Order: sequence, then structure tokens, then C-alpha cells
Amino acid sequence: DGGITQSPKYLFRKEGQNVTLSCEQNLNHDAMYWYRQDPGQGLRLIYYSQIVNDFQKGDIAEGYSVSREKKESFPLTVTSAQKNPTAFYLCASKKGDGYTFGSGTRLTVV
Amino acid sequence: AQSVTQLGSHVSVSEGALVLLRCNYSSSVPPYLFWYVQYPNQGLQLLLKYTSAATLVKGINGFEAEFKKSETSFHLTKPSAHMSDAAEYFCAVTPNAGGTSYGKLTFGQGTILTVHP
Repeated sequence: DGGITQSPKYLFRKEGQNVTLSCEQNLNHDAMYWYRQDPGQGLRLIYYSQIVNDFQKGDIAEGYSVSREKKESFPLTVTSAQKNPTAFYLCASKKGDGYTFGSGTRLTVV
Repeated sequence: AQSVTQLGSHVSVSEGALVLLRCNYSSSVPPYLFWYVQYPNQGLQLLLKYTSAATLVKGINGFEAEFKKSETSFHLTKPSAHMSDAAEYFCAVTPNAGGTSYGKLTFGQGTILTVHP
């Protein structure tokens, strides 16, 4: 079955470390998105990519980086510059007016 | 520019009662509108979407929503709540045509629905 796979489901990071969250889709969708979710704030857009080898900053890109070397993959790196990285991260892909979401990665700084 | 406001961060209903979750949007161009449901530590599941066809949209699990352009609203309703409806619900908007926001979903803050027996 087609879908989006995010891994790991839970991730713990020490302060000062970079971590990379994986997002893979086999839906043949061109566009992919990363959202951050905090309680009471809904989902906020971090980065998005409309096509391979191209990506754009969203509303809260500071402290994050992405790459889009393959159509299927859109990894997100949370760098040490992100001051408050503890959150739930959701990846999505889009074709036409249909969006598909992954099951999320919960990142905790310890 | 686009934005979404969900009125009420928490809504509580009795099992069998009407569910009404409110969503108002702001968009400079005609919008596509969505309602999603999220269970704890899971992704978002699409309930229904408005894409400029019929203004009354029927979705899964007995939910429906009506697009009212004059009120800039897209409220979600279900005639009779079930215990399994307890979850968090998100309204989202995206432009239905080009521009810098095209394809980017803007979400409301979410409404947590509690269903009492």
C-alpha cells in the first residue's frame, strides 16, 4: 500500500546535538512538507518542496534544514540552533488537492 | 495571506448529542478547506474537504461541513456523537490557485472533542 513512513516514532536528543528525522513516500507525489505541532498551536510549516532538488522555507524554518535529493525522500534535520526542538513533527505529501500525512515523530530534548 | 480560527480549544458533548466544531477562515483568493482528525501520537486523517464543488460536504464517520462564503465559515457537524469521536480536530485552508501560498496548508489551533457517556 502507498503511504508516508516517518521514522523513528520517538527520538531523544541531547542539547547541542543535531538529529535527522526521516520521511519517505511511495505515492509518487511531487510536493512534500514538514510541519511542527505544539499543544494549542496547531501545525506550523517548517519547510516544503515542490520538486526534487528544490525546497523553500516555511513559517518557522530557523534552526532546521532539509534536502530533497530524491522524489521519495524529504529528511528534516533539527540543528543545535533550534532553541526549543521538543515537539511532534509531521511530514506530508501532496498531489492535486490531496494531502497525505505520516504518523509523526515525537522529538524530546533531554 | 490566509489564516484559520477555530473557536473553542475544547468542546465537550454527551454521547448521542450534536457535535459542532467551528472554523472561520481568511483568504485573499478562493480557498480549498479541509477538516482533519488526529488521535494521540498519530498523524492526521482527512475527514472531508471543500474544493469549490458542492457547498455541503459529506465526509467519513458521519461528519459533514458547509462552506459559507458570506460568513467565511466551514463548521464541522455530526448529528450524534459517538465515544470513538473523541480526538483533536483541525481545520485547514489553502488557496485553490497559484501564488506564493499555493499548496501550503494553514491550520487552525485545533479543537479537542471530549465525548461523555
